[in-house]
Amino acid sequence: AQSVTQLGSHVSVSEGALVLLRCNYSSSVPPYLFWYVQYPNQGLQLLLKYTTGATLVKGINGFEAEFKKSETSFHLTKPSAHMSDAAEYFCAVLHGGSQGNLIFGKGTKLSVKP
Amino acid sequence: NAGVTQTPKFQVLKTGQSMTLQCAQDMNHEYMSWYRQDPGMGLRLIHYSVGAGITDQGEVPNGYNVSRSTTEDFPLRLLSAAPSQTSVYFCASGPRGSYEQYFGPGTRLTVT
Repeated sequence: AQSVTQLGSHVSVSEGALVLLRCNYSSSVPPYLFWYVQYPNQGLQLLLKYTTGATLVKGINGFEAEFKKSETSFHLTKPSAHMSDAAEYFCAVLHGGSQGNLIFGKGTKLSVKP
Repeated sequence: NAGVTQTPKFQVLKTGQSMTLQCAQDMNHEYMSWYRQDPGMGLRLIHYSVGAGITDQGEVPNGYNVSRSTTEDFPLRLLSAAPSQTSVYFCASGPRGSYEQYFGPGTRLTVT
């Protein structure tokens, strides 16, 4: 069975600082991994995904994530935070090989201080 | 394209009432899913569908029914509402092979 753990329910950074949101996964098969972002009172939007191939994945809004099999991690980073990055971020893993079946982490709320 | 639409946006039910949350997509996506979001719990899968006529249970299916008679629509039925079903419900769809899901704006349901 697959599962996802996000370390830190709240992360606060200053504008211009590095953003690092941590995600560790558990999977008995090669994982398909995702990061989604949710702005207040909205649905989720895909930031990036890892399926196969290159382990460093670039997404929208300057975010990227690196799949590290040895560490079972898929941490999300952005070199310089912007006020508009304040949102909740969810890591997810595909479950059972079925495209419609995602297992989500509990989310990390990112605050950006001016 | 309107994308994924959900109705209603807000709903208040009394315990024991039934209702249907509507979800529609105009992108011809094969895959559709229903999730519920509760504070501190992330999103949990209720039911999903891999195509018209095919549905399967997710992590928290009890108290909910679904059917998929067309590619476009994937309604979620609450059979007898309970306060534990107070949540925000999200519908999502995705095209075969991309593994991406596109989410609707959500329905906020309160059961008193």
